[in-house]
Amino acid sequence: QVQLQQSGPGLVKPSQTLSLTCAVSGDSVSSNRATWNWIRQSPSRGLEWLGRTYFRSNWNYDYGGDVRGRITIKADTSKNQFALQLDSVTPEDTAVYYCVEDRGIGRGLDVWGQGTTVTVSS
Amino acid sequence: DIVMTQSPDSLAVSLGERATINCKSSQSVLSTSNNKNYLFWYQQKPRQPPKVLIHWASIRESGVPDRFSGSGSGTDFTLTISSLQAEDVAVYYCQQYHSFPLTFGGGTKVEI
Repeated sequence: QVQLQQSGPGLVKPSQTLSLTCAVSGDSVSSNRATWNWIRQSPSRGLEWLGRTYFRSNWNYDYGGDVRGRITIKADTSKNQFALQLDSVTPEDTAVYYCVEDRGIGRGLDVWGQGTTVTVSS
Repeated sequence: DIVMTQSPDSLAVSLGERATINCKSSQSVLSTSNNKNYLFWYQQKPRQPPKVLIHWASIRESGVPDRFSGSGSGTDFTLTISSLQAEDVAVYYCQQYHSFPLTFGGGTKVEI
């Protein structure tokens, strides 16, 4: 059974970098079938897909339009985890952040982390 | 980007009655290569992450009660709860997986 365990600070100052980590158990981030996503949810923006990384002979990345240029998603195979980095945050980035796996079996975004509430405030 | 529009925003249904949620995409999410609709439905209960209910527009996830059904093709989709139970109180979202960026509908809150 796949589980995703998120960690990271709940409060970030404006203009600083938001960093979250998602530890994976029950699957490998180097899987040739799965993809590893970050999604956020806020009352103003709803559910917003931020981006993903996945391994298919090499590492690949896709990012959502609204955060492109500020976002980095990286996998750490030695720790079997993946991370989100969002630069130059503003109060608009306040949201619940989820790490999510698509196991690649046609079930959609089928494994979710528990969510981390991140507030951007001085 | 494909815009997903859900209606209504919320609905109140009596126990045992039918609930119908609509989802419209700004472009077709039907793949011509495999004839599958890249449309998923999720259920989110308070203080929980979303959970997949329906994949490929009409296939129930394992363990999802058969009172939940999905239908539609192309740009117009429906999630139906045939006989609402108390545990179905939640927000329901549609999501397209046809093209990136992945996008979600705004959600429909179902209440008793």
